[in-house]
Amino acid sequence: GAVVSQHPSWVICKSGTSVKIECRSLDFQATTMFWYRQFPKQSLMLMATSNEGSKATYEQGVEKDKFLINHASLTLSTLTVTSAHPEDSSFYICSARAIEKGHQETQYFGPGTRLLVL
Amino acid sequence: AQTVTQSQPEMSVQEAETVTLSCTYDTSESDYYLFWYKQPPSRQMILVIRQEAYKQQNATENRFSVNFQKAAKSFSLKISDSQLGDAAMYFCAYRSRDDKIIFGKGTRLHILP
Repeated sequence: GAVVSQHPSWVICKSGTSVKIECRSLDFQATTMFWYRQFPKQSLMLMATSNEGSKATYEQGVEKDKFLINHASLTLSTLTVTSAHPEDSSFYICSARAIEKGHQETQYFGPGTRLLVL
Repeated sequence: AQTVTQSQPEMSVQEAETVTLSCTYDTSESDYYLFWYKQPPSRQMILVIRQEAYKQQNATENRFSVNFQKAAKSFSLKISDSQLGDAAMYFCAYRSRDDKIIFGKGTRLHILP
């Protein structure tokens, strides 16, 4: 099956700093990637849809200036949490939609990134 | 807007027994996909099974099968011969035409040895 990686797997940062999280599709090209946030013992909440070569589409209530998304290539999307604060501490998961026929109906998930803001 | 409801926050089953996890959803779309994802303690989301709404036949993957009732908007997951490795959080999910996946709140499944 298709593989999606995330880097870093966990990060601890000081309040006020920015953190970049990478999401890569390793063996397929993805025109669309998605970023989710998961609080402890809760479900995944979609934050934004990342489209290669165009602006990301953010879900209602998600601050686009706070969570910067860049989808620079067909295999890489990045999420930058700017001026992070303790309330931004969470588990961030990306997923990628394959463009090859036969995989289109499936999103493949990365292993997640745990962010702790002190 | 589409919604996904999982009414069982937690369930337990004896090893080797069968368990059914419930899921209902609401949508006005006629063409969509439904999924069950497993999230073990590692938190990696693992696709368990998927169902295309236009297919009447229930999907099956080894010990995992679904009971898809389109008219009732119900999509339950049956796990047969439960194994210790099946212990995890299970999320029912709906994929809309715009590719967005909406997840239910999840059901935590415990396997009793």
